[in-house]
Amino acid sequence: SQTIHQWPATLVQPVGSPLSLECTVEGTSNPNLYWYRQAAGRGLQLLFYSIGIDQISSEVPQNLSASRPQDRQFILSSKKLLLSDSGFYLCAWDRNTGELFFGEGSRLTVL
Amino acid sequence: GNSVTQMEGPVTLSEEAFLTINCTYTATGYPSLFWYVQYPGEGLQLLLKATKADDKGSNKGFEATYRKETTSFHLEKGSVQVSDSAVYFCALSGGGADGLTFGKGTHLIIQP
Repeated sequence: SQTIHQWPATLVQPVGSPLSLECTVEGTSNPNLYWYRQAAGRGLQLLFYSIGIDQISSEVPQNLSASRPQDRQFILSSKKLLLSDSGFYLCAWDRNTGELFFGEGSRLTVL
Repeated sequence: GNSVTQMEGPVTLSEEAFLTINCTYTATGYPSLFWYVQYPGEGLQLLLKATKADDKGSNKGFEATYRKETTSFHLEKGSVQVSDSAVYFCALSGGGADGLTFGKGTHLIIQP
C-alpha cells in the first residue's frame, strides 16, 4: 500500500533562519506531488506542485521554493523565513485520479 | 478560474442532531467533487467524493450529492456524534495535475 510521510512534525524557527521540510511517498511511482499551506482562517493554499523529477510549478510568489531530487521525494525550503511563513504545511500526492492523499502535516512557527 | 465556497463556522451542534454543511462551486467543464475531513493536529483524509452529476458520495453516515444545476455539493449526516468534531473541506478537481481547489473549511463542534 502507498504511504506518505513528512517531517519534522513541529518546527519553531527565528525570523531570517532557513527552512527545510521533507516529504516522501512509498508504494507508488511517478506520483504528482504537492505542497499546501494552511493558515488560520484561510483554508488551504497550493504552494507548489510537481509532475516529475525537477518539474516544479509555483502557484504563489513568495520566499519559499520546492525541489524534487528523486521521484518520490519533495522538499520545501526557504533561505530566510518571515513571520508570515508560519502555518501548517501539508504534503500530498496523487496519480491523476483527482483524489489527494495527505501527509500528517508540519506545523511551523516563526518567531 | 475554479473556486469553492463553503460556510466557515464554527458550527456547533448537539449530539444526534442533523448536520448540513453547504458547499457551492464555480468551475469550467465537469469537475470531480470531494469532501475531506481534518481531525485536530492531523492531515486531511478523504471523506467522500462524486465524479459526475447526480452521483451521491457516502461514507461513515455522511452523504453529499453532486448537483450540477445548482453547482452544489452539500454535506449531510442524519445524527452526528462527538467524534465527528473536526474541520471539513469541500474541494473540486478540474482534472489537471495542479491539485484540488479547496474551500476555506468548516469547523464543526459536536457537544455531548
